[in-house]
Amino acid sequence: AQSVTQLGSHVSVSEGALVLLRCNYSSSVPPYLFWYVQYPNQGLQLLLKYTTGATLVKGINGFEAEFKKSETSFHLTKPSAHMSDAAEYFCAVSVVTGNQFYFGTGTSLTVIP
Amino acid sequence: DGGITQSPKYLFRKEGQNVTLSCEQNLNHDAMYWYRQDPGQGLRLIYYSQIVNDFQKGDIAEGYSVSREKKESFPLTVTSAQKNPTAFYLCASSIAGSSYEQYFGPGTRLTVT
Repeated sequence: AQSVTQLGSHVSVSEGALVLLRCNYSSSVPPYLFWYVQYPNQGLQLLLKYTTGATLVKGINGFEAEFKKSETSFHLTKPSAHMSDAAEYFCAVSVVTGNQFYFGTGTSLTVIP
Repeated sequence: DGGITQSPKYLFRKEGQNVTLSCEQNLNHDAMYWYRQDPGQGLRLIYYSQIVNDFQKGDIAEGYSVSREKKESFPLTVTSAQKNPTAFYLCASSIAGSSYEQYFGPGTRLTVT
């Protein structure tokens, strides 16, 4: 079975500081990994995804994530936080043998001016 | 513009009434999904469909029903058997296959009193 753990349900950073949102997954087969962002009362928008190939993945709005198989992690980073980054972020995993996504419980990012 | 529409945005019902949430997509996607979102619990899968006239239960299907008579449409009925129906409901679609990202609609917030 697959599962996703997002450490830290709430993260606060100062504007201009590094953003680091943590995601660890559990999977017995190679995973596909995704990060989504959700603004209040809206649907989810894809930030980036890892399927195969390069383990450092770049996404929209300056975000990137690195797939580390040995650590079963897919942490999301952004070098410099902007006020508009304040939102809920979800990590998700799927696998080649399945047809479902498994979502983490989300991390709420607050950006302090 | 291609996308997923959910209507209405806000829905209010009395306890004991069935209610149907609409989800339509014009992305030509084969797969469609319904999720329920509650604070602090992330997204939980209710039902999904990989092809017309076929659908499978997700993790929390009890008290819900769906149909998939057309590729573009995947309505969700919240029945009176659902013990705690007040939540934010998200519909998503994707190309069939677990490596493909899911595209989300704007959501419907259902309040049952």
